[in-house]
Amino acid sequence: EPEVTQTPSHQVTQMGQEVILRCVPISNHLYFYWYRQILGQKVEFLVSFYNNEISEKSEIFDDQFSVERPDGSNFTLKIRSTKLEDSAMYFCASLPSLGPPDEQYFGPGTRLTVT
Amino acid sequence: QQQVKQSPQSLIVQKGGISIINCAYENTAFDYFPWYQQFPGKGPALLIAIRPDVSEKKEGRFTISFNKSAKQFSLHIMDSQPGDSATYFCAAIRYNFNKFYFGSGTKLNVKP
Repeated sequence: EPEVTQTPSHQVTQMGQEVILRCVPISNHLYFYWYRQILGQKVEFLVSFYNNEISEKSEIFDDQFSVERPDGSNFTLKIRSTKLEDSAMYFCASLPSLGPPDEQYFGPGTRLTVT
Repeated sequence: QQQVKQSPQSLIVQKGGISIINCAYENTAFDYFPWYQQFPGKGPALLIAIRPDVSEKKEGRFTISFNKSAKQFSLHIMDSQPGDSATYFCAAIRYNFNKFYFGSGTKLNVKP
């Protein structure tokens, strides 16, 4: 079964540091997403990405965040200067096409801890 | 503004019972309403989904009921099993905007 992979599984960083979270979406998928989930809270949409550009982003996705697809396989989320409130699980997801997300797969997540 | 409201926050059901989780949405432009199941340490996994032109969809023990006029939809888990213990999220989506709005989640505990 195809799967989305994410690395690292857990990242600890100090406030103000930059972090890059990595995702490898399913190979034939075209739409990519980042979500975050603060512990015990709901899953929040951050950004969607298609054709090498952002298609949609939420209010959370401010100038501290950026996404990139540096090569044909990786999809990264960068947080430039982390804050304590960025501590959360970050999930990557991908879809083969824009439509019913029957085939949307979520990765296992990266737990980001900002100290 | 909370686009999707979910209740209850937690639910305890005996094995064999029916689990019911409710969601309400604000925006009538939503096209698709999925439910996700999340186990601890894992990402959400799509469980079942419904479009607004259908009032009910059943897959195995899982049923979505959809009330378009009330802007509400619910997940029913029949014959609940301990293995169903997880957090369940409803969501609402507008296709063209490919942006997902999730509910706040319901932690289900099915007691043996």
